[in-house]
This record gives sequence, C-alpha cells and structure tokens, in this order.
Amino acid sequence: GEDVEQSLFLSVREGDSSVINCTYTDSSSTYLYWYKQEPGAGLQLLTYIFSNMDMKQDQRLTVLLNKKDKHLSLRIADTQTGDSAIYFCAESKGQGGKLIFGQGTELSVKP
Amino acid sequence: GEEVAQTPKHLVRGEGQKAKLYCAPIKGHSYVFWYQQVLKNEFKFLISFQNENVFDETGMPKERFSAKCLPNSPCSLEIQATKLEDSAVYFCASLPPGYTEAFFGQGTRLTVV
Repeated sequence: GEDVEQSLFLSVREGDSSVINCTYTDSSSTYLYWYKQEPGAGLQLLTYIFSNMDMKQDQRLTVLLNKKDKHLSLRIADTQTGDSAIYFCAESKGQGGKLIFGQGTELSVKP
Repeated sequence: GEEVAQTPKHLVRGEGQKAKLYCAPIKGHSYVFWYQQVLKNEFKFLISFQNENVFDETGMPKERFSAKCLPNSPCSLEIQATKLEDSAVYFCASLPPGYTEAFFGQGTRLTVV
C-alpha cells in the first residue's frame, strides 16, 4: 500500500539545524519530494531526490534517503524565522504519477 | 502563463448547491492534477489528466465529483450537490512532459455552509 508518515511538529531556535523526517511504505516509489507550504499559500517545491540516490545537497538543504529503511529526511542548516512553515514529504512513481503526501510537519522557528 | 492559475480564490456554497473550480495550467504542461487539502494537512489526490485525457482517476469520489480538461479551455473540477465535508482547499498542479517537478496553483478555498 501507499503510506507516507511524518511527525507533526518541530520547534527549533534560529540558527540551529532542523531535521524533518519521513517514512514511506511503497518500495516502488521512484521520486521523493519535499514541499513547503506557508499559511494561505500553495505548495513550493524545495527539492527532490531519485530513489537511486542516497543524498542531495542544495544550499542550506540536505536530503538523505535510506532506501532500505524507506526513510527520508530534510535537513535545513542555519534555520531562519522565514523557514517557519509546514513541510510535506511526498512520493511518486515517475512521470505523470500522482503525489502521495505525508501529513506535513509544522516547523516553528523561535528567535 | 508562467504560473498555474486557479479561480476563484474563494467559493462559498450552500449545502446541495453546485461548485465549479477552474485551473489554467502553465502553457506547454501536458499533465494536470487535482488535490484536495482538508484542514491544514491531508493532501488527497483526486484525478489527473494527460492533455485532455483522464490519466488517473483513482482518487475521485464516485458520486458528485467530475472533472474535465478540454482543448483551449481551463480545466475544471465540478462538485454537484455539495456537502459540508467537501469544504477544503482544492489545489491544481501542472507538469511539463519529461519532467518530475509539478507546479502548484494557489488553491481555491471552498466553504460549504
């Protein structure tokens, strides 16, 4: 079956690193994504990783994928108050495939 | 255009009324997706199109919900006889051929009273 799980809340201090975790059940997932949603807004794609990769880094963002454990994480270095938002993990099976989302992790960054 | 345009931004309907939502995908994008977001989370896939053809409708409720993507027109999602539980934000996304990154619109907030 298709299921994506995330913890619901994370609170960090400004300047610290944030790590948001996600687990998924479908081993045939091909692409794994991280989206950010600010209040009242749509989804902004932050980054994605192919299932044959272990890691992807993009400026302050690092994505780690453990395919054996079906575990995905997003690390945000030097977290800022502007990073406060809900972060969604999602998976799909490829070109044109629907996205299966986790419940979202609400990140709160305190000054 | 360079963004997915959804209209209207807000829609209020009395229970039992019809609701119709529109989505103009980015020009050149061949896939269109509809998702329903209830409360702050729980994105639920409804239906996707490849050009004007239904690609995947596994998330579409069997009754009351229908969708179309016709040439030279915005795509539409229609809910007949709305119920209170249909209150949600409905997001449209489009995807260019050969790519994996979908671009999302700002959503239509449907409130059924």
